[in-house]
Amino acid sequence: GAGVSQSPRYKVAKRGQDVALRCDPISGHVSLFWYQQALGQGPEFLTYFQNEAQLDKSGLPSDRFFAERPEGSVSTLKIQRTQQEDSAVYLCASRGPQGIEETQYFGPGTRLLVL
Amino acid sequence: GIQVEQSPPDLILQEGANSTLRCNFSDSVNNLQWFHQNPWGQLINLFYIPSGTKQNGRLSATTVATERYSLLYISSSQTTDSGVYFCAVGTGTYKYIFGTGTRLKVLA
Repeated sequence: GAGVSQSPRYKVAKRGQDVALRCDPISGHVSLFWYQQALGQGPEFLTYFQNEAQLDKSGLPSDRFFAERPEGSVSTLKIQRTQQEDSAVYLCASRGPQGIEETQYFGPGTRLLVL
Repeated sequence: GIQVEQSPPDLILQEGANSTLRCNFSDSVNNLQWFHQNPWGQLINLFYIPSGTKQNGRLSATTVATERYSLLYISSSQTTDSGVYFCAVGTGTYKYIFGTGTRLKVLA
């Protein structure tokens, strides 16, 4: 079936604008992850959903970041009042029901540039 | 928190050469995975290997959990192996900490 998709692939925002990044996980995957990847760095954990429940949001950098997955499938990461330091690639990943031993499948990412 | 260090940070190989990438971690983990990020940014899982040895074609990986390191072996490298290799470790069921990666370039 189809892999994880993300949209938009690229987003340019002026400082202070709000942005919304979408993730469509693989159908039937209960686990969904968001990561932030700065240039030249490894991905950093932002938040984790199991179905519609957000079980961990400890990696969200500030209260300007908000994620939701209201029906347990599509997820949206919203960033309010964007700042230049928010510029990064935002990666979404999903994982099947077997849990820790299952592969995380990553989307292509959304590259956000805040001017 | 757990520190994850990868070496070497950069590696240039001639096509056909072999290489070993290393991942050191600072505490006990119950989850370790290796990923390849291609030049277009797509991350692909290579191995789930919290302990022991696995092989998949020209790639193999070994994790010695008691000594807190993992190795990724690439044999007969090809230009398509270029990209960044990350190891990611975890202590629970979902939270992964990624290393800073090894950037590999394979020359034709």
